[in-house]
This record gives sequence, C-alpha cells and structure tokens, in this order.
Amino acid sequence: QVHLQQSGPGLVKPSQTLSLTCGISGDSVSSNTAAWNWIRQSPPRGPEWLGRTYYRSKWYTDYAVSVKSRITITADTLKTQFSLQLNSVTPEDTAVYYCARGVYTMDVWGQGTTVTVSS
Amino acid sequence: QSALTQPASVSGSPGQSITISCTGTSSDVGRYNLVSWYQQHPGRAPKLMIYEVSKRPSGVSNRFSGSKSGNTASLTISGLQAEDEADYFCCSYSTDSPVIFGGGSRLTVL
Repeated sequence: QVHLQQSGPGLVKPSQTLSLTCGISGDSVSSNTAAWNWIRQSPPRGPEWLGRTYYRSKWYTDYAVSVKSRITITADTLKTQFSLQLNSVTPEDTAVYYCARGVYTMDVWGQGTTVTVSS
Repeated sequence: QSALTQPASVSGSPGQSITISCTGTSSDVGRYNLVSWYQQHPGRAPKLMIYEVSKRPSGVSNRFSGSKSGNTASLTISGLQAEDEADYFCCSYSTDSPVIFGGGSRLTVL
C-alpha cells in the first residue's frame, strides 16, 4: 500500500520561499510508471495543479503556467521523496498543499499541509 | 476561474440518485477519456472515486458511476447515503496542461 507523508512549515513570510517535502512509502520516486505531483487548494476555488516530476530513463518536470517562473519540483532517490519550492510567495499563495501520485489520475494523496503566507 | 465547470452545489434525499456535471472543451474532456472524479470530506484529503471516465477503483461502491458525452463528463451517485455528503471535483487531461480540475460541487444529502 502506497502512502505519502508531507512535511514542511505552515507559515511563510511574504517574498520568501515555500518548501514542502513528500515522503513516499510503498513505491519508488524513480518508478517508470508513476508521476509525483503538487496540488493546492484555496477555497472557494477548486484544486490547482502546480506541477509534477517523473522518471522515464531520465527526469522530467512539468509546471503550471501560473507558477512556472517561481516553482521547482525535485526528487531525491536516496530518501524516496520529492519536494516543492515556490519562490517569492505572496498572500495569494496561502492554501492547503497536497502531494499526489498519478500521471492522469491522482490515486494516492498526502495528508495536506496548510500553508499561510503572512508576516 | 477553474478550467472545468461544475455546479457549485447539488442536493438529494437519501435513496435518491444525483448527477454532477463537469463541462470542459474539445481540448480536454471532449478529446480524452482521462476524466477522474474525487470525493473530499471536510478537512480530509481527496479520494479517487472514478478514473478514465467510468472505471471504479477497488473498494469504491458501485453506487458511484461515471460517463461522458461530448465535452461534458458526469458523476452519478445512486442510493444516496448520508456519508456521501462531501465535495466532489472532476479532473481531466488537457492539450494545454497534464492536469486540470473543476471548481468542485458540494453535495448535500437532505
């Protein structure tokens, strides 16, 4: 059974960098069939996909246009985890952040991390 | 504004059936059979209920079913139960982005 465990701070100051990590158990971040995603949710808006990383003989990343200039998603094969960095945050980045496994279908989700951007 | 359009709220009485729509375009829902549906209870992570338009993951009740016609996908819940009260959102692959979501629909069981 695959489990994703998120970690990272819940409070980030404006203009600083938001950093979250998603630990994977029961699967490999280097899997040739999986993709590892970051998604955020800020009611009343629906979920917003931020980006993903995946391994197909080499590493690939895809990012949402809305955050492409500020986001980096990386994988750590030794620690079996992947991470999100979002730079130059503003209060608009306040949301619940989720990691999730899936190429087109998100079949496993992390528990969610509430991140507030405030001074 | 979300890329896929869902009704903000739907409701039904126990035992009834309800349908939630998810309207996209010919670049996403209409082109690919890669629509998925998620259930989310307050304060919880989303749970996959339907994938590839109409397939059910192991362990999901057969009261949940999915379909698609043109640019609109639908999630139907039959035999409504109190535990079905939750938010539901759809997701699709798109020519413009690997993953796009709907705005979500809140289901109230009366």
